[in-house]
Amino acid sequence: KAGVTQTPRYLIKTRGQQVTLSCSPISGHRSVSWYQQTPGQGLQFLFEYFSETQRNKGNFPGRFSGRQFSNSRSEMNVSTLELGDSALYLCASTGGLSNTGELFFGEGSRLTVL
Amino acid sequence: AQSVTQPDIHITVSEGASLELRCNYSYGATPYLFWYVQSPGQGLQLLLKYFSGDTLVQGIKGFEAEFKRSQSSFNLRKPSVHWSDAAEYFCAVVRYNNNDMRFGAGTRLTVKP
Repeated sequence: KAGVTQTPRYLIKTRGQQVTLSCSPISGHRSVSWYQQTPGQGLQFLFEYFSETQRNKGNFPGRFSGRQFSNSRSEMNVSTLELGDSALYLCASTGGLSNTGELFFGEGSRLTVL
Repeated sequence: AQSVTQPDIHITVSEGASLELRCNYSYGATPYLFWYVQSPGQGLQLLLKYFSGDTLVQGIKGFEAEFKRSQSSFNLRKPSVHWSDAAEYFCAVVRYNNNDMRFGAGTRLTVKP
């Protein structure tokens, strides 16, 4: 079955703009998590959605938000972009019928803020 | 708060040599433990996981890891490294029934010919 799909794979924005990233989880998975990966901070947890509800949240400012739709697809939004938001944003899904707790990751969306 | 420490930022080994990557976690109870690998420009791929039971777990690509409760460690090992193993390796922990997975800083593995 298809893996986790993230779009777009690459994008360039300028400071002050906003960006929306999309994630389609593995079919049957109901939980979607988002991570930010940077060379300096490593992998940092942003938030997790389950059944359209944010269940967990990391320590990021309110400029970072997300949502999940009834088909489990998720989007994350970053408003008023800053240079430091340049990163690889990874989405992961879990929670199918044979939930083993592991996260299945997409290939990420690489955001560059100029 | 749960945390994961990977003491080695970068390790270089020769092809064919053995490998051990260290991971220590800090958590009040035994969490679920994972090792992931990331190749450049790619997402993360699960190598192996520990939930309970046998403390030595086998994973893909010839990797294994041993859970040691007394040392709060979950070190990754491979008896003979291949050039294709060059990548970044992440140890991760998550609580039961909680998908807030936390990662270590990662260990970058370089393999010398």
